[in-house]
Amino acid sequence: SQTIHQWPATLVQPVGSPLSLECTVEGTSNPNLYWYRQAAGRGLQLLFYSVGIGQISSEVPQNLSASRPQDRQFILSSKKLLLSDSGFYLCACVGGRVYGYTFGSGTRLTVV
Amino acid sequence: GESVGLHLPTLSVQEGDNSIINCAYSNSASDYFIWYKQESGKGPQFIIDIRSNMDKRQGQRVTVLLNKTVKHLSLQIAATQPGDSAVYFCAENDPPGYSTLTFGKGTMLLVSP
Repeated sequence: SQTIHQWPATLVQPVGSPLSLECTVEGTSNPNLYWYRQAAGRGLQLLFYSVGIGQISSEVPQNLSASRPQDRQFILSSKKLLLSDSGFYLCACVGGRVYGYTFGSGTRLTVV
Repeated sequence: GESVGLHLPTLSVQEGDNSIINCAYSNSASDYFIWYKQESGKGPQFIIDIRSNMDKRQGQRVTVLLNKTVKHLSLQIAATQPGDSAVYFCAENDPPGYSTLTFGKGTMLLVSP
């Protein structure tokens, strides 16, 4: 079954600083990969998804970008963070069941 | 899509009670649905899924019911335990494929001992 590694678990960054969150997947090849954001007390918002190396679909225009340099690596980046970028960021891939997602443990980002 | 509310609906139950969490989905063309459980500070975990050619599916202590006529999904948890306390999300696929899911707003379940 798939395992998702996501780090760091928590991050506090100043406004205007860059961001790089990394997600790696084990136990599968050529997975679909996703970045979601969850604001406090809210649902899950899809930010980006990727069906293969170098293939990125953006769901919401914003201050973030994503890249997939390797088959099982998905990176979320920003050149200059905004206060509104604070939230809980989750990486996901298509999991062991045919269509269900497997989520990583998340990164709590606070922009100050 | 993202929730627009500031507060999650909350369901409070006593340990041992049966819990029913409801979800209204948006797309009548969706044909695959999933329930996830998210504990505080953790990523969502898969609980149970159902395809649109079924009305009911049972797992261990959980049952999902699907009513396509009114676009309604429910999750029933039998003999609720304190460890069941979490936020529960329903999700539907974004047809025509299964590449992405749209999540509901979430319901917080609080189980008192």
